[in-house]
Amino acid sequence: DADVTQTPRNRITKTGKRIMLECSQTKGHDRMYWYRQDPGLGLRLIYYSFDVKDINKGEISDGYSVSRQAQAKFSLSLESAIPNQTALYFCATSDSGTAGGLGYEQYFGPGTRLTVT
Amino acid sequence: GENVEQHPSTLSVQEGDSAVIKCTYSDSASNYFPWYKQELGKRPQLIIDIRSNVGEKKDQRIAVTLNKTAKHFSLHITETQPEDSAVYFCAPTDKLIFGTGTRLQVFP
Repeated sequence: DADVTQTPRNRITKTGKRIMLECSQTKGHDRMYWYRQDPGLGLRLIYYSFDVKDINKGEISDGYSVSRQAQAKFSLSLESAIPNQTALYFCATSDSGTAGGLGYEQYFGPGTRLTVT
Repeated sequence: GENVEQHPSTLSVQEGDSAVIKCTYSDSASNYFPWYKQELGKRPQLIIDIRSNVGEKKDQRIAVTLNKTAKHFSLHITETQPEDSAVYFCAPTDKLIFGTGTRLQVFP
């Protein structure tokens, strides 16, 4: 699904380095999300944004920060990478609908595989 | 906080058999109940969802049933095929929490 893209797709970095993962979408959705996926732990929410001026922490936000540069762009930063941040990172988007709440399909990007050595 | 559990964590079936995966949640405010499929090396994709005003929804070989009183919903796959092999996640809202996944293997 080319509607949600992530760059880079793979990245190897060293402990202590700052790294940014970028997400862009052409679906016109207001809502964007960052998840990390670790084997056996499913998908865990890092941050989410309901519009350009709205940023919210998820369940595992420590060590991460985000920036919503535009409706279509949502980037995730690791200020000082550590080995236990090695994971597969997914960006996702969803519609906001008319009924409010969080109950809408999420569209995922292809993922970024990050390795911190 | 919200607690989401999926069972079983792994499931192996013979091609043609049925598979059932159950998701239990704790937040009674949840009103949207999706199931996502993630094939190996791919992104998760929605395969079926249901809202709280409906008890069951079916789409060809897959169905979802909801029991709001007991706070669980289940994914049913009938006539399984090798291409159904994947990891399946539930994600009951409103807390944006995914279950830990069920790895389904369908053997020909």
